[in-house]
Amino acid sequence: AQKITQTQPGMFVQEKEAVTLDCTYDTSDQSYGLFWYKQPSSGEMIFLIYQGSYDEQNATEGRYSLNFQKARKSANLVISASQLGDSAMYFCAMREGLGANDYKLSFGAGTTVTVRA
Amino acid sequence: NAGVTQTPKFRVLKTGQSMTLLCAQDMNHEYMYWYRQDPGMGLRLIHYSVGEGTTAKGEVPDGYNVSRLKKQNFLLGLESAAPSQTSVYFCASSYSISGADGYTFGSGTRLTVV
Repeated sequence: AQKITQTQPGMFVQEKEAVTLDCTYDTSDQSYGLFWYKQPSSGEMIFLIYQGSYDEQNATEGRYSLNFQKARKSANLVISASQLGDSAMYFCAMREGLGANDYKLSFGAGTTVTVRA
Repeated sequence: NAGVTQTPKFRVLKTGQSMTLLCAQDMNHEYMYWYRQDPGMGLRLIHYSVGEGTTAKGEVPDGYNVSRLKKQNFLLGLESAAPSQTSVYFCASSYSISGADGYTFGSGTRLTVV
């Protein structure tokens, strides 16, 4: 079963506008972590933001914020004031099982964002 | 710069050939991972290691083997390459248990099996 679901294969956004990328997850663990990564056309994976399941505040990193709704099991990424350089593929990921000897990430299929001038 | 280095960056193999992908990190991370990326499927975990001398199977381990003889290196081997193994391979490492500091990825290896 899919653990991470990203329902938007592709999105267009106008420069300087905000965009929200959807991510829902499935886990029975109480302790887990949620991540967003950016993959530009050059191919590298760039870490953007992290949210722990016990964190009460939504994570923010510069123009990136994570809208964490635990009851809904969603972890949407909000990019504010989009820039042309934000055009990339974005992956949501989850790490389950803190305390278990298993620290792997599970990834969603990704969302391609294209920023228009 | 400190980070994760993967070699080679590109490779073309014939079906049945073998090869080894090397991942090296200089951040003293305990945990290392090999992922493959295929269109529309995100990244899938092949094998991982929680410390020197240990390895474990991930989501899609068939056709691959790994070794972690030194803490800084994690090798991924293909004994008999198949066209289904055409993919982009990423190595990653992490320091903390939670990964809250972010897993560090290498730049990837694009492998084509013909």
